[in-house]
Amino acid sequence: AQSVTQLDSQVPVFEEAPVELRCNYSSSVSVYLFWYVQYPNQGLQLLLKYLSGSTLVKGINGFEAEFNKSQTSFHLRKPSVHISDTAEYFCAVTLQLMFSGGYNKLIFGAGTRLAVHP
Amino acid sequence: EAGVAQSPRYKIIEKRQSVAFWCNPISGHATLYWYQQILGQGPKLLIQFQNNGVVDDSQLPKDRFSAERLKGVDSTLKIQPAKLEDSAVYLCASSLGRATGIPNYGYTFGSGTRLTVV
Repeated sequence: AQSVTQLDSQVPVFEEAPVELRCNYSSSVSVYLFWYVQYPNQGLQLLLKYLSGSTLVKGINGFEAEFNKSQTSFHLRKPSVHISDTAEYFCAVTLQLMFSGGYNKLIFGAGTRLAVHP
Repeated sequence: EAGVAQSPRYKIIEKRQSVAFWCNPISGHATLYWYQQILGQGPKLLIQFQNNGVVDDSQLPKDRFSAERLKGVDSTLKIQPAKLEDSAVYLCASSLGRATGIPNYGYTFGSGTRLTVV
């Protein structure tokens, strides 16, 4: 079965420290990869996406992610976090499901709660 | 541009009652999705529309959940009768692109409806 695994449910970090949020996926077909952020009582906001091309993707708010096909990973990084980065982060994968006529299906991981402390 | 609008923001009902959620996607977005996000979990796709047709409802509990997308624009999701385990945030998302091919335009999420079943 296709799945997305976020390896850490919670990541505590001090302000201005670097952070990496890990994401692995399992798929043998073409995938498109996304990272979303969710602030309390809000919807999901797109941070960045990988569709094709350069494996290093830069997003909003200083975040970046690297697609590693051999390791089936798409880890999210930021060199220096701020208090305002405290939120829930979701890795998501779009899978093209041939059994449903080739339609894309967006599957989410369980999320990683990033807590930035002063 | 206006975002994806959802209403109500919050709803509390007793088990076995009925409830309906409404979503107004971004104008011109052909594809619409309903997700269920249980506390502490990632969003789970319930149903996916392209225009007013259903392209994937494999994870929709059809004995109690139903959804429609009128004229390919607004959508409603209904639960009848509700169970305690239906307590969750229901997220609506839309995409400019079609439900097939490379998802160049990504997905835009609404703020969600928080349902509590008591």
